[in-house]
Amino acid sequence: GPKVLQIPSHQIIDMGQMVTLNCDPVSNHLYFYWYKQILGQQMEFLVNFYNGKVMEKSKLFKDQFSVERPDGSYFTLKIQPTALEDSAVYFCASSLGWGRETLYFGSGTRLTVL
Amino acid sequence: AQKVTQTQTSISVVEKTTVTMDCVYETRDSSYFLFWYKQTASGEIVFLIRQDSYKKENATVGHYSLNFQKPKSSIGLIITATQIEDSAVYFCAMREGSSGSWQLIFGSGTQLTVMP
Repeated sequence: GPKVLQIPSHQIIDMGQMVTLNCDPVSNHLYFYWYKQILGQQMEFLVNFYNGKVMEKSKLFKDQFSVERPDGSYFTLKIQPTALEDSAVYFCASSLGWGRETLYFGSGTRLTVL
Repeated sequence: AQKVTQTQTSISVVEKTTVTMDCVYETRDSSYFLFWYKQTASGEIVFLIRQDSYKKENATVGHYSLNFQKPKSSIGLIITATQIEDSAVYFCAMREGSSGSWQLIFGSGTQLTVMP
């Protein structure tokens, strides 16, 4: 199926530092998403993004979080500053449309905040 | 608010048998879409199959099929002729079609172990 690429696969940083997670979505997809998964738990929605704007965000999408996709390049999730509870696997996804359109997920970035 | 519930934490089966995983959902929307994904041991999330709420016929893809019982708000995943490599965590998910929300909401997952 369509591939979403996430870079890096693993990131270790100290609490309080800034981190940027990168996502290369499927080339013709227009809708982008970030999900958070804590080990052994379900995937939780963070934010979706379309046409250069955040369309929806959950309570988990704290003020320290931001997303952007400058000039059609990587879709990024930035956390500044990071906190211990931000340690998780972050999955990026993209879809061609909404509603019945399938979300395709990347392989995740494991973020460890020390 | 939409909600997806998977009550089976884990299931073990012998290979080549059939397994059913349960999922119930809550929504006020008249139009919605139900998805099943699996997450492999490596963490990869793979789309398996989708059911549109307005379709009465159960979706089937390969050895995956769905048991859609709309009055019970239930969407079970059936895997026939299971294989060792089907061992994974299976997530049910739902997306509303007309509420204006684009969120894909996941259940908590069912760990499937297929034994030789």
